Amino acid sequence: KNEVEQSPQNLTAQEGEFITINCSYSVGISALHWLQQHPGGGIVSLFMLSSGKKKHGRLIATINIQEKHSSLHITASHPRDSAVYICAVRDPSNTGKLIFGQGTTLQVKP
Amino acid sequence: NAGVTQTPKFRVLKTGQSMTLLCAQDMNHEYMYWYRQDPGMGLRLIHYSVGEGTTAKGEVPDGYNVSRLKKQNFLLGLESAAPSQTSVYFCATLRDYGYTFGSGTRLTVV
Repeated sequence: KNEVEQSPQNLTAQEGEFITINCSYSVGISALHWLQQHPGGGIVSLFMLSSGKKKHGRLIATINIQEKHSSLHITASHPRDSAVYICAVRDPSNTGKLIFGQGTTLQVKP
Repeated sequence: NAGVTQTPKFRVLKTGQSMTLLCAQDMNHEYMYWYRQDPGMGLRLIHYSVGEGTTAKGEVPDGYNVSRLKKQNFLLGLESAAPSQTSVYFCATLRDYGYTFGSGTRLTVV
């Protein structure tokens, strides 16, 4: 079993829909990161969470440390949100190493 | 302020050839990482550095060497390229606010 599990693996939505991507982890962490990768593109860091909730524009990320679970929400989705969203947890040692989920491929149709 | 710059962006090597990938950052970050990304495997850590003059092995270090002689540069070397090293390589840096990724190097070994 992977240490970081994301669901769903693939997601198709209509423009305007509310989207949720889930991430569960089974290891101790110092922080959880949500990353975005557009097709053929680079990787952009969206959020870093160690507790609670963060919001940036139409994106909201939450984490429940006790349940070892995080969610990424996209409100009023748009075709430009189509990308792979990756959950990654940071090793609690002083190395900063990340353990990655397998990614969620999101397609938003107009 | 360029952030994290990777060179080259694309390269085709013949089996047995050597090459060096350069990651340069202008943000004065201590922590730097080399990852490879393969379809179905996600991102995997090759080597990392927690400061100038230090390097350590990650999850998949075989066939690669690294050096961090200057704080701003992290070099990834392939001494004798193999087709199994065909991949997209990403460099990343870490600061307290999160990770910054380079745009990637697409390497094909034929």
